[in-house]
Amino acid sequence: AQKVTQAQTEISVVEKEDVTLDCVYETRDTTYYLFWYKQPPSGELVFLIRRNSFDEQNEISGRYSWNFQKSTSSFNFTITASQVVDSAVYFCALSEDMDSSYKLIFGSGTRLLVRP
Amino acid sequence: DGGITQSPKYLFRKEGQNVTLSCEQNLNHDAMYWYRQDPGQGLRLIYYSQIVNDFQKGDIAEGYSVSREKKESFPLTVTSAQKNPTAFYLCASSLLAQMNTEAFFGQGTRLTVV
Repeated sequence: AQKVTQAQTEISVVEKEDVTLDCVYETRDTTYYLFWYKQPPSGELVFLIRRNSFDEQNEISGRYSWNFQKSTSSFNFTITASQVVDSAVYFCALSEDMDSSYKLIFGSGTRLLVRP
Repeated sequence: DGGITQSPKYLFRKEGQNVTLSCEQNLNHDAMYWYRQDPGQGLRLIYYSQIVNDFQKGDIAEGYSVSREKKESFPLTVTSAQKNPTAFYLCASSLLAQMNTEAFFGQGTRLTVV
């Protein structure tokens, strides 16, 4: 069965520190997609990135970067020079095709607190 | 502005009552989803719909019901059969019901049983 593990329940850092959020997944399929979402205090989840299982290139978007390693089934998310506005709950999610239906499986989330 | 609107933001229910949570989207998305969020458990899928007049059970459908009579609307009813309904409910939609399409989320409804 597919599963997403975010072992870090809560992380607290001081502004300008770098922080890495870990995500480990399990799946039997060779074709799947991985996502990261941010949930600010307002509640709605905001899409950050999508990565397919055939593309192991790391990606950088401003202060955000993602490290996808199929060998360790990990899709880690790094925030460089963190800011108070980065405080939120971050979810990693796995999507795969199951009998022609689609499901997003979420990890339990990591709450990030960036202190001024 | 395009988006997903959930209402109400807060809802209180007495034990034994059914309540309906509203979800409307104007993104012209085919697929819509309902998730339940409990502290420390991430999001769990309740129901999803790929097209109008069709929907499938997710992982925790017991005690819930949905309808999809219009493309824009996917209301969720929490019935009295749901043993522990207090939670944060999130509605989402995606352009297609495919694994590579990202989902867009509403701001959620916090349901409390009193």
